[in-house]
Amino acid sequence: NAGVTQTPKFQVLKTGQSMTLQCAQDMNHEYMSWYRQDPGMGLRLIHYSVGAGITDQGEVPNGYNVSRSTTEDFPLRLLSAAPSQTSVYFCASRPPGSKSTGELFFGEGSRLTVL
Amino acid sequence: GNSVTQMEGPVTLSEEAFLTINCTYTATGYPSLFWYVQYPGEGLQLLLKATKADDKGSNKGFEATYRKETTSFHLEKGSVQVSDSAVYFCALSDHLGGAQKLVFGQGTRLTINP
Repeated sequence: NAGVTQTPKFQVLKTGQSMTLQCAQDMNHEYMSWYRQDPGMGLRLIHYSVGAGITDQGEVPNGYNVSRSTTEDFPLRLLSAAPSQTSVYFCASRPPGSKSTGELFFGEGSRLTVL
Repeated sequence: GNSVTQMEGPVTLSEEAFLTINCTYTATGYPSLFWYVQYPGEGLQLLLKATKADDKGSNKGFEATYRKETTSFHLEKGSVQVSDSAVYFCALSDHLGGAQKLVFGQGTRLTINP
């Protein structure tokens, strides 16, 4: 059981380039989400999905797109990278049974640097 | 909106010392409260949780009690080990557009020296 898998672990981009951060989970979790982690600011929610075909915005969605075509995958797309998007990105998922408490399962993170 | 405030870090202690990391929250209603831990190079993992007032969450020697009257959820451990060195995040559950999400504090980096 791999849990939540993120790729790549590290990426360097130039301003204006595009890329996709991949996230896959093999636990049949309906809820998936993307957070970014910045020093002194904790984790902030970018986008989330409550099931295949359904996505919605979090606190800091600007500059990011998501889609959810399958239960397993939830990619995060940067269409035109900016230095302000330099961060560590975490994908997290949650099983249906924990809706009342909100416990999340996290991937190992993807460190992105935009020059 | 709902928010979480943690004590400023970094925190450095000697092995076997007593640990307290303060966490206070602002919320409408009665959220669930969590402590997550992030070891170097890894993602966050749940350390403990409490779902209602006066509940005590515990795991690996760590404890935290949900205090509604003081809106707090302080993390404590009686005797820390070098292996406890990590970043600790306090979080609460919140509702966004009908879905639950977690709101995190800024994190507290803990270093334990032998």
